[in-house]
Amino acid sequence: AQSVTQPDARVTVSEGASLQLRCKYSYSATPYLFWYVQYPRQGLQMLLKYYSGDPVVQGVNGFEAEFSKSDSSFHLRKASVHWSDSAVYFCAVRTNSGTYQRFGTGTKLQVVP
Amino acid sequence: EAAVTQSPRSKVAVTGGKVTLSCHQTNNHDYMYWYRQDTGHGLRLIHYSYVADSTEKGDIPDGYKASRPSQENFSLILELASLSQTAVYFCASSGDNYEQYFGPGTRLTVL
Repeated sequence: AQSVTQPDARVTVSEGASLQLRCKYSYSATPYLFWYVQYPRQGLQMLLKYYSGDPVVQGVNGFEAEFSKSDSSFHLRKASVHWSDSAVYFCAVRTNSGTYQRFGTGTKLQVVP
Repeated sequence: EAAVTQSPRSKVAVTGGKVTLSCHQTNNHDYMYWYRQDTGHGLRLIHYSYVADSTEKGDIPDGYKASRPSQENFSLILELASLSQTAVYFCASSGDNYEQYFGPGTRLTVL
């Protein structure tokens, strides 16, 4: 079955440093992949998505992600993090039927001074 | 502004009681979803619907029912609430582009 794995439950980064949050997927064909962010006591908001084409996709607030078919990965990156980026980040993959997505367990990002 | 709203935002229920969580969307989306969020499990899909008067089981449907009386409204029903159903519940909607729009969540505590 389609699934995603986020191996890091927590990541701590200094403000201004670069960031990479890891996501590995399991899918039989070319997947539709998503990254969402959840701020405290809020619902999830989509950051970016990959359907096809250029493997590097740009999202909101300076985030980007790179799709790799050979590595089955869709890692999220940001060149310089801000304290306001502290949140929980979820990777998701659309199922084969296309009717819903499966989510990873999330990575909690803490940006410290 | 397009939105997904949920009610109530929080609820305390007794074990064995009936709980109904409501969701309303103004996105004109066909798809609606109910997820639960637990620490360490991320979001898990309970039920979803792609048309009014029809619902489908997700990955963890046991102990839950769903109702979609109209395109805009989608309810999650716990007929006999149990301690293990204490969680945060999220509703979402999506259209043909598969992007999901989430509500603010309902924090349910079963005592």
